[in-house]
Amino acid sequence: KNQVEQSPQSLIILEGKNCTLQCNYTVSPFSNLRWYKQDTGRGPVSLTIMTFSENTKSNGRYTATLDADTKQSSLHITASQLSDSASYICVVNEGNDMRFGAGTRLTVKP
Amino acid sequence: NAGVTQTPKFQVLKTGQSMTLQCAQDMNHEYMSWYRQDPGMGLRLIHYSVGAGITDQGEVPNGYNVSRSTTEDFPLRLLSAAPSQTSVYFCATSSVGRASTTGELFFGEGSRLTVL
Repeated sequence: KNQVEQSPQSLIILEGKNCTLQCNYTVSPFSNLRWYKQDTGRGPVSLTIMTFSENTKSNGRYTATLDADTKQSSLHITASQLSDSASYICVVNEGNDMRFGAGTRLTVKP
Repeated sequence: NAGVTQTPKFQVLKTGQSMTLQCAQDMNHEYMSWYRQDPGMGLRLIHYSVGAGITDQGEVPNGYNVSRSTTEDFPLRLLSAAPSQTSVYFCATSSVGRASTTGELFFGEGSRLTVL
């Protein structure tokens, strides 16, 4: 069982709408959590990094939240754009290792 | 400033053939690594290096070799390709190591390998 579970697997929304992606993890000990955006055919690009003491981190229209007690994180995208169509990957640091979620595939339609 | 450059972008091999995936970076990062990405799974670490002359195994190292003779280059070798090695491979670098809170992983564009 993957130690980092993301939901939903895929999501389709209309341009301009908001959406929230979920990440649940069982990794321990936990040091930090990252969200990456991966466009089709490209490498992942970092969106946010949060330590266990941070509850929220924003990067433009992207806002990540973290609840270290329940081991849950979410990525909220506001006023979606067509360019937001991509896979979003949650990554949790376990000591010196990084555990990657399988990602959520987001499609934004006009 | 190219960042992390991977070649080739696409490759088709027959079972048993060997090949090398190239990774070059111009960011002067000490840490370099190789991941594979398979459908429905998270990225998995194959091998990594914390500096020239130093390499170590990751989560799924079997069937792959690496070397690090320079800071800039970190090639991944498949000695005898198998269909199970069909995947997309990513090279990633960091200035301070993958687990650091302040460090950031920079990924290449990926190399898609198909083994028939």
